[in-house]
Amino acid sequence: DTAVSQTPKYLVTQMGNDKSIKCEQNLGHDTMYWYKQDSKKFLKIMFSYNNKELIINETVPNRFSPKSPDKAHLNLHINSLELGDSAVYFCASSQDGDRAAFFGQGTRLTVV
Amino acid sequence: AQSVTQPDIHITVSEGASLELRCNYSYGATPYLFWYVQSPGQGLQLLLKYFSGDTLVQGIKGFEAEFKRSQSSFNLRKPSVHWSDAAEYFCAVGPYYGQNFVFGPGTRLSVLP
Repeated sequence: DTAVSQTPKYLVTQMGNDKSIKCEQNLGHDTMYWYKQDSKKFLKIMFSYNNKELIINETVPNRFSPKSPDKAHLNLHINSLELGDSAVYFCASSQDGDRAAFFGQGTRLTVV
Repeated sequence: AQSVTQPDIHITVSEGASLELRCNYSYGATPYLFWYVQSPGQGLQLLLKYFSGDTLVQGIKGFEAEFKRSQSSFNLRKPSVHWSDAAEYFCAVGPYYGQNFVFGPGTRLSVLP
């Protein structure tokens, strides 16, 4: 069983569209994260949710909106996609906010 | 501001050789340090972490890392590299909780047969 699963794995879309990436974890963790990895492999935290509450919100355009319907899910919705949003987005989870997180396999988003 | 540098962008070693990947950090408080590995097309996997105590930390897959406060370093080592170790390695630093968790730029490891 996959511990942290993201869908879709690949996403190609046009500029201006709105898209969502879904994440689910079956580890019983209480904290979930979204990270962005750019083309140069720089990895940066975007958001963190603990028990469905937002606890980290790094400097991210407000076109990005995380939504956590329950502890096991953290979805990322992106409005008005831009070319610069092209990246690999990783979901992760951990217990008690421990940074030693489990990562999903990533979603490669390409905006054309 | 905190930062992490990994001076080596790409390292190539022969299978069976020893490995050391460098990580230097800048952090104003007690750092919590991590090493992650990312295989091609995969997510990150935690290799090891340091919070306090013994400065030599053992991790999975035969990796270890040593925290040296005087040098602001947390280098990753493995005595004998296997072909399956070829991957991207990321060092990270931050508080245990909260914001300002920073990853280094990564070091790509290639392994020659």
